[in-house]
Amino acid sequence: AQKVTQAQTEISVVEKEDVTLDCVYETRDTTYYLFWYKQPPSGELVFLIRRNSFDEQNEISGRYSWNFQKSTSSFNFTITASQVVDSAVYFCALIFLNAGNNRKLIWGLGTSLAVNP
Amino acid sequence: DAGVTQSPTHLIKTRGQQVTLRCSPISGHKSVSWYQQVLGQGPQFIFQYYEKEERGRGNFPDRFSARQFPNYSSELNVNALLLGDSALYLCASSFGTSPTDTQYFGPGTRLTVL
Repeated sequence: AQKVTQAQTEISVVEKEDVTLDCVYETRDTTYYLFWYKQPPSGELVFLIRRNSFDEQNEISGRYSWNFQKSTSSFNFTITASQVVDSAVYFCALIFLNAGNNRKLIWGLGTSLAVNP
Repeated sequence: DAGVTQSPTHLIKTRGQQVTLRCSPISGHKSVSWYQQVLGQGPQFIFQYYEKEERGRGNFPDRFSARQFPNYSSELNVNALLLGDSALYLCASSFGTSPTDTQYFGPGTRLTVL
């Protein structure tokens, strides 16, 4: 079965703390893609990163970094020196091709991050 | 460049009514996908269209239908509304249907069914 699990429902931190959002996935496919999206209170989903299953290099973008480990089927997201503007719901998602060779995007339930001043 | 636009922003309907939601993709994008997001949950895939053809369908009843127009804009129709249809409906556009084609989301239409 294809599944994305974000075990942390809510996280609350104080500004400038580092915070890691966990994402564990299940898939039978050897080729797949993982994503992180941010959903601020306005509701619009904002694309953060895409990683394919053949590229396990970690990535850093400013205060954001991602750790992809196929051995543990995890794709964790770390925010360094968090800021109030980082407060949002963060979704991890997985793309696979279904039986009709069409892609399907499966989402985790999201982690609500509150960064307090 | 303009992002994905959706209309209306908010909508209130009563049970049994029908609703049409609209989406305009980013210029140059040929694929539109629709998602339903119930409060507190992740988005659930409803449909994907590419070049006016349906390319994917999620586990939603036949009351849900969609279409894509020659200019790649799309409409989502929901008939015989139920209370459980109350949700944020998100439209996402992408260049194509490849997994490497990132989906960019619109602000959504919040539908309330009374």
